[in-house]
Amino acid sequence: NAGVTQTPKFQVLKTGQSMTLQCAQDMNHEYMSWYRQDPGMGLRLIHYSVGAGITDQGEVPNGYNVSRSTTEDFPLRLLSAAPSQTSVYFCASSYDRPGGGVNEQFFGPGTRLTVL
Amino acid sequence: AQSVSQHNHHVILSEAASLELGCNYSYGGTVNLFWYVQYPGQHLQLLLKYFSGDPLVKGIKGFEAEFIKSKFSFNLRKPSVQWSDTAEYFCAVIRTADSWGKLQFGAGTQVVVTP
Repeated sequence: NAGVTQTPKFQVLKTGQSMTLQCAQDMNHEYMSWYRQDPGMGLRLIHYSVGAGITDQGEVPNGYNVSRSTTEDFPLRLLSAAPSQTSVYFCASSYDRPGGGVNEQFFGPGTRLTVL
Repeated sequence: AQSVSQHNHHVILSEAASLELGCNYSYGGTVNLFWYVQYPGQHLQLLLKYFSGDPLVKGIKGFEAEFIKSKFSFNLRKPSVQWSDTAEYFCAVIRTADSWGKLQFGAGTQVVVTP
């Protein structure tokens, strides 16, 4: 299994450009999430999905769009990049626990994005 | 508001020293707790997790954590650190009654182990 894969690893954008960060998992996990990691702020949830066709907003959704047409893929779209979106982006997946709650997350290698 | 606090932002210690990182949360109810580690330039990996049962949890690489419900804490420990333990450590908490989107991470603790 490849686990959770993300592309690209690095990206530089100019303000106003749009792009899509790709995320895929081959573990048949129902849950997928996108986080951004900024120094001193931990991981903040951008958007998440509890299954194909179902997405919801996290803590910091503004400026980002997601869709989940398949179980495997969960792309993150930046609509009009801004310098404040300079960050490291991590995709993660997980699965249900029979007794309630969620299992641990499996993280991708991250995408380092710089917006000039 | 629900929160997860990691009190130490940076910790510097020598090899063979003992490590303890604090994690406190403000939720009521039953919780699931996690510690993740991020080595330099890498993605987050699970160190250990607590769902129920014995509050002393053993993880990988000699780490352990103790869940103290009365103190809303889940502190991470390692008796003797190695240089390779240099990393950033994150605590994460979710109430079992909450949906997947409510998992919260602490701000992280950067640990530097000197030879």
